[in-house]
Amino acid sequence: SYELTQPPSVSVSPGQTARITCSGDELPRKNAYWYQQKSGQAPVLVIYEDRRRPSGIPERFSGSSSGTMATLTISGARAEDEADYYCYSTDSSGFHGVFGGGTKLTVL
Amino acid sequence: QVELVQSGAEVKKPGASVKVSCKASGYTFLTYDITWVRQAPGQGLEWLGFISPLTGDTNYTETLQGRVTMSTDTSTSTAYMELKSLRSDDTAVYFCARFKGDYDNRFDYWGQGTLVTVSS
Repeated sequence: SYELTQPPSVSVSPGQTARITCSGDELPRKNAYWYQQKSGQAPVLVIYEDRRRPSGIPERFSGSSSGTMATLTISGARAEDEADYYCYSTDSSGFHGVFGGGTKLTVL
Repeated sequence: QVELVQSGAEVKKPGASVKVSCKASGYTFLTYDITWVRQAPGQGLEWLGFISPLTGDTNYTETLQGRVTMSTDTSTSTAYMELKSLRSDDTAVYFCARFKGDYDNRFDYWGQGTLVTVSS
């Protein structure tokens, strides 16, 4: 079955840039989506279609995709950005979804 | 305002079934598909499948094929996810979320989650 691979953890100091990667063989052809999940809460969409930001999401969140890797970038990370981040995409059929394993972002 | 409100926590014995509901409001129910996602304790998100309230079309993850059924009641704008032959590793928080479909896979609104505990 199709898999998306993320690093288990990323750590940055406040104000630094955090980059979280997501690799998958279908990413050259399928969009990537990024979700932020804080403890005990439902996920929140922060990036869609590789690089688009929903309304209400701070400009410090951005996305990019090149080849088989999508990247979520948080420029000037804040303590409030500490959370688990998940990438999401679909397999070659477009009808079966898959989440990456998640990346725990620590800002300290 | 858009809301997805899920049913309350459930405790089930192994081998039993559970049916979780997700009541939508604040938008036209037929115009968005509903996906179901679960999260086992301390683990990541797992996509379970989706249903189109408009057509009734469904698509399920292969790992749950034969045990999961997704349905909708358009008269009450409610989506349902039923899981049969429950096992201990089905213990998880189950979320519903809406998305536009037609290759637009933004899960832009989520339910609050329903904890399903499978224990003898």
